[in-house]
Amino acid sequence: QKEVEQDPGPLSVPEGAIVSLNCTYSNSAFQYFMWYRQYSRKGPELLMYTYSSGNKEDGRFTAQVDKSSKYISLFIRDSQPSDSATYLCAISTGNQFYFGTGTSLTVIP
Amino acid sequence: DAGVIQSPRHEVTEMGQEVTLRCKPISGHDYLFWYRQTMMRGLELLIYFNNNVPIDDSGMPEDRFSAKMPNASFSTLKIQPSEPRDSAVYFCASGLGLAGAEWDFGPGTRLTVT
Repeated sequence: QKEVEQDPGPLSVPEGAIVSLNCTYSNSAFQYFMWYRQYSRKGPELLMYTYSSGNKEDGRFTAQVDKSSKYISLFIRDSQPSDSATYLCAISTGNQFYFGTGTSLTVIP
Repeated sequence: DAGVIQSPRHEVTEMGQEVTLRCKPISGHDYLFWYRQTMMRGLELLIYFNNNVPIDDSGMPEDRFSAKMPNASFSTLKIQPSEPRDSAVYFCASGLGLAGAEWDFGPGTRLTVT
């Protein structure tokens, strides 16, 4: 079993839609949860970082962590064509860290 | 700051040849990571360094892979001999700590082994 599972998509939505991206993980020891965005032919860039459970909001982006269900989500409101990218979740204990395989998102104008 | 710098950006080589990938981390970052990304396996951690010292190389696939960090501003990943299954995008990342909140990735080196 992989440490973190992520639906690869692809996901295609119209501009303005709300997007929900999700990952599940297997080990309750993970405390740090990140979302990275990767544009085509670029390196991943950190988008959101949360520690432990709860929500974190940054503009149109909201990261949500449910440790009881071992489930993390990234919500994108009012999606824009510029949000078209691959989104990777990442989890860490502080000493061990794993990336999801990424979900490809296309926002259609 | 120019960010993490990797070279070359693209490398095409024949099977059996030696390949050396280079990375210059962001000044002040004490961790350096080498990742490999493929469609099938996603992003895989190969090795990481802390203060120039290799900490975990359990992700290095075979003895054909080796990595060095002779100083705080330079690291290399070498594949010798290269094989077609090594074809992937190799990323170098640097950061502060292991939690992942302060990592910066380079643009990657796209390696094709024919």
